Amino acid sequence: GAVVSQHPSWVICKSGTSVKIECRSLDFQATTMFWYRQFPKQSLMLMATSNEGSKATYEQGVEKDKFLINHASLTLSTLTVTSAHPEDSSFYICSARDTRSVSYEQYFGPGTRLTVT
Amino acid sequence: GQQLNQSPQSMFIQEGEDVSMNCTSSSIFNTWLWYKQEPGEGPVLLIALYKAGELTSNGRLTAQFGITRKDSFLNISASIPSDVGIYFCAGRAGTASKLTFGTGTRLQVTL
Repeated sequence: GAVVSQHPSWVICKSGTSVKIECRSLDFQATTMFWYRQFPKQSLMLMATSNEGSKATYEQGVEKDKFLINHASLTLSTLTVTSAHPEDSSFYICSARDTRSVSYEQYFGPGTRLTVT
Repeated sequence: GQQLNQSPQSMFIQEGEDVSMNCTSSSIFNTWLWYKQEPGEGPVLLIALYKAGELTSNGRLTAQFGITRKDSFLNISASIPSDVGIYFCAGRAGTASKLTFGTGTRLQVTL
């Protein structure tokens, strides 16, 4: 149980275009999902917290108009990188919190590698 | 954003050796978690700690929640090649709070 998937696993796009990344909790419901970004040889940095049915909460320094988050259902959150630039190239990882779990643990997806050319 | 300090930054050990790594914070956490990340993958939860002083094992892995609530330790006994990866600690202040990740310890195991 507690499996999180991401799609696509990797994507290459041209500068100026938009890219959508999906995060799904496959066997549990998640009222809260999180989006992280990880640059090579660095740790995970939280970008935003996504709550089902409400607006996402963005971390300081993350542009909400550039990184659009939609959490339309209890099993799906999407991150759209708008007008992507080469500096947006990174490994994007989502996690989902199991609402049934008393421990409130997050389960991570396998990540999406974005390359902007 | 805030990051937790992990040490060592990297380790090169021989198969069969024991490994120790730690994580320190300037602030108190109520939960400490240890994750392993392999190349091109997301982190996988190894051990979760919920009480100060708690010592928890998962196979060859043992982790402890420091008494001060500002640190945690992970030990791996009798390392094997599949232990290779990056180990991250993460702390959480409250039950529903966000995670703060450590800087990571990169482990390499040689035969």
